[in-house]
Amino acid sequence: GAVVSQHPSWVICKSGTSVKIECRSLDFQATTMFWYRQFPKQSLMLMATSNEGSKATYEQGVEKDKFLINHASLTLSTLTVTSAHPEDSSFYICSAPEGGFSPLHFGNGTRLTVT
Amino acid sequence: AQKITQTQPGMFVQEKEAVTLDCTYDTSDQSYGLFWYKQPSSGEMIFLIYQGSYDEQNATEGRYSLNFQKARKSANLVISASQLGDSAMYFCAMRGSIQGAQKLVFGQGTRLTINP
Repeated sequence: GAVVSQHPSWVICKSGTSVKIECRSLDFQATTMFWYRQFPKQSLMLMATSNEGSKATYEQGVEKDKFLINHASLTLSTLTVTSAHPEDSSFYICSAPEGGFSPLHFGNGTRLTVT
Repeated sequence: AQKITQTQPGMFVQEKEAVTLDCTYDTSDQSYGLFWYKQPSSGEMIFLIYQGSYDEQNATEGRYSLNFQKARKSANLVISASQLGDSAMYFCAMRGSIQGAQKLVFGQGTRLTINP
């Protein structure tokens, strides 16, 4: 079946540094990918929609300059957390639709800890 | 705007019993899809079952079935013969057809615990 690969699965970084998370669709093309954030014991909250070849669409309240999204190809989207702070510590998970109303395929997520 | 509501923060069920997880939704879209995902402690999102708004029959996938009541805007998940491995967070989600992106909106989730 279709697979979405997300890397890294976990990362620890110091405050003020930037962290890049990659999301790849392995056997299908994804013109759109979605980035979610999940705090402990909470639901997944959509951060932004990544669009291949154009700018990402951010949800209300999500800082564009802090969470940089690049959708460079039909199989790769990246999320860069810039100048990370401890409050950015969270579980970030990407997903991609195969088309129509097919289920979204999710990556395995990235647990980010900012010290 | 679309909204998904799961009113059960936690559920405790004896092994082998059936369990129903509640989900209600709100949308102005005529065409939409409803999904259930399971999230174990590892964090991965596992797709369980899908129901289209125009599907006349309730969806079933093995031990999972979706009790779809369109007029009531509810899409409850029924797990039959529960197993210890069913213990996890369960999320109901919706995708609409307007606004193009077909983004998935999630409910708050229900933590299901299966007791031996």
